[in-house]
Amino acid sequence: DVQLAESGGGLAQPGGSLRLSCTASGSSFSSYEMYWVRQAPGKGLEWVSVINFSGSTMYYADSVKGRFTITRDNAKNSVYLQMNSLRPEDTAVYYCAREYYYGSGSYLSWGQGTQVTVSS
Amino acid sequence: SSELTQDPVVSVALGQTVRITCQGDSLRTYYASWYQQKPGRAPLLVMYGKNSRPSGIPDRFSGSSSGNTASLTITGTQAEDEGDYYCNSRDTSGDHVVFGGGTRLTVL
Repeated sequence: DVQLAESGGGLAQPGGSLRLSCTASGSSFSSYEMYWVRQAPGKGLEWVSVINFSGSTMYYADSVKGRFTITRDNAKNSVYLQMNSLRPEDTAVYYCAREYYYGSGSYLSWGQGTQVTVSS
Repeated sequence: SSELTQDPVVSVALGQTVRITCQGDSLRTYYASWYQQKPGRAPLLVMYGKNSRPSGIPDRFSGSSSGNTASLTITGTQAEDEGDYYCNSRDTSGDHVVFGGGTRLTVL
């Protein structure tokens, strides 16, 4: 099973920035789509972004489009989420996820999450 | 984009069978996957595709799909099955992903 480890969460001021990182164990990282999903306190899961295996195609939820950027470095088995112009409503646990098997798309294996708090 | 709709709360007696449903237009094209989440923990994939379980998921969990509705059934529900259950799928465009609002399962 893949192991995913997120880092980079913390406290940011409204209008500020944070960069989340996620490193995957195992081989074949470069074959898989990678995702970010978030969960606000007491709320459900919200898909944030996806990046394809090569990093050439990315999609974003409307709530973060234009503010967040997903990238990956296959040489480092890592995916990143650059979060700019942060808002209090971005406060959530952010999970990194990988498609469960090659080509499975939205069937996901999850990391443990990293907390992001946006507050003055 | 599209939405997936789940009942917010479902209860089941210990040892009985419970079905959790997920409705949405995208399910006419894409199979759902299902996640169990316990407090303070990351979601865990419990069902995907037509009716496939990841290794380690008990066979009391099963899945089905018909039209715009996907279902997760737990046969002989155990106390440890209590938690929140989420469905997801690609949206109708195929580019984005959508999650249901979640179902809180209580085992009585």
